[in-house]
Amino acid sequence: KAGVTQTPRYLIKTRGQQVTLSCSPISGHRSVSWYQQTPGQGLQFLFEYFSETQRNKGNFPGRFSGRQFSNSRSEMNVSTLELGDSALYLCASSLGRVGTEAFFGQGTRLTVV
Amino acid sequence: GNSVTQMEGPVTLSEEAFLTINCTYTATGYPSLFWYVQYPGEGLQLLLKATKADDKGSNKGFEATYRKETTSFHLEKGSVQVSDSAVYFCALSEQGGSNYKLTFGKGTLLTVNP
Repeated sequence: KAGVTQTPRYLIKTRGQQVTLSCSPISGHRSVSWYQQTPGQGLQFLFEYFSETQRNKGNFPGRFSGRQFSNSRSEMNVSTLELGDSALYLCASSLGRVGTEAFFGQGTRLTVV
Repeated sequence: GNSVTQMEGPVTLSEEAFLTINCTYTATGYPSLFWYVQYPGEGLQLLLKATKADDKGSNKGFEATYRKETTSFHLEKGSVQVSDSAVYFCALSEQGGSNYKLTFGKGTLLTVNP
């Protein structure tokens, strides 16, 4: 059974650009969540999608957005990149929602220069 | 809101030593509790979980017991190996309600020397 796949693994962007990250969840999983990991702030929740609807959003500016497709694949987009957006972005998929365990991808390492 | 506090380390042990990483939590409801492990350059892997009070999660020699009275979920292993060197994260998720997310501790870096 394939795990959670995130693409690309590494990305270098310039300030002011935008970026799109992709996440393919485990087959059959309907919930996809995104997290930002930085040395200073640790792991912070970005948003959760379930059945193509955003169900929950963390405390991030509107430059961070996402969506989920009918096959449960998800994308997140960051517009007008800032140096502080440099981070490891992790996607997690779950079979259901509340209380179910989450399986993480290897992450996308975004560097903003 | 919910929060997780864990010892930040770093923790350095010799092979075969006993490991304890403390984790306490604050939650409004009855959360599920998890330990995740992250190896260098990788994402997070679920190590173990517990969904209700007094449950004991265990995996690969690691154990943690859900203690509601002390709001704790300490990770233990009787004899660590060099291959256990990684960052360990304690996390919780609420049960019930309309929101689902994991709240993580800051992580504890464990280094095991041969």
